[in-house]
Amino acid sequence: GNSVTQMEGPVTLSEEAFLTINCTYTATGYPSLFWYVQYPGEGLQLLLKATKADDKGSNKGFEATYRKETTSFHLEKGSVQVSDSAVYFCALANNAGNMLTFGGGTRLMVKP
Amino acid sequence: GAVVSQHPSRVICKSGTSVKIECRSLDFQATTMFWYRQFPKQSLMLMATSNEGSKATYEQGVEKDKFLINHASLTLSTLTVTSAHPEDSSFYICSAMASVGETQYFGPGTRLLVL
Repeated sequence: GNSVTQMEGPVTLSEEAFLTINCTYTATGYPSLFWYVQYPGEGLQLLLKATKADDKGSNKGFEATYRKETTSFHLEKGSVQVSDSAVYFCALANNAGNMLTFGGGTRLMVKP
Repeated sequence: GAVVSQHPSRVICKSGTSVKIECRSLDFQATTMFWYRQFPKQSLMLMATSNEGSKATYEQGVEKDKFLINHASLTLSTLTVTSAHPEDSSFYICSAMASVGETQYFGPGTRLLVL
């Protein structure tokens, strides 16, 4: 079956530091890959996505590249802000695109 | 962008009562809606998938008689927690999708506390 594994948190960084949150997946076929962000007390917001190998999703300074050879979709940001503090979820959608499998989530804490 | 709302955002109820949670797609028609449950500091667990006009498909281990799902229109799905107990206390999140293969858009979640 499908599965998503992401690094455990919390990840604590100082403002303007470089961020990497690792995500690897197991899936049959060619899934779409997503990063969602959840701010405290809120639902999930789509941050970025990639639908095929070598695609790069990007939004709000975050980016992730769909690497089929390493089955990875690592999230990166060059300079984090305090407002980026949230929980980040990596997810994949199956071939039919109608069911999401989530990773365990990684809490990011950015200190001023 | 696509907006999904949930109501209520927070509810406290007594053990044994039933609670209904609404999920609405505000600016698009959703052929499919999903209901998730999230425990504190954990990931989302899919409870069921509902398609407009048909019965919901429940994930293994989810009691269909306890968590009643109705998807009566293309913009509304409801989750009713029947005879709620303290262990049902959780954060319930819905998502909606316009059609198969489209992006899922999530609601803001409903925090349920059963006393």
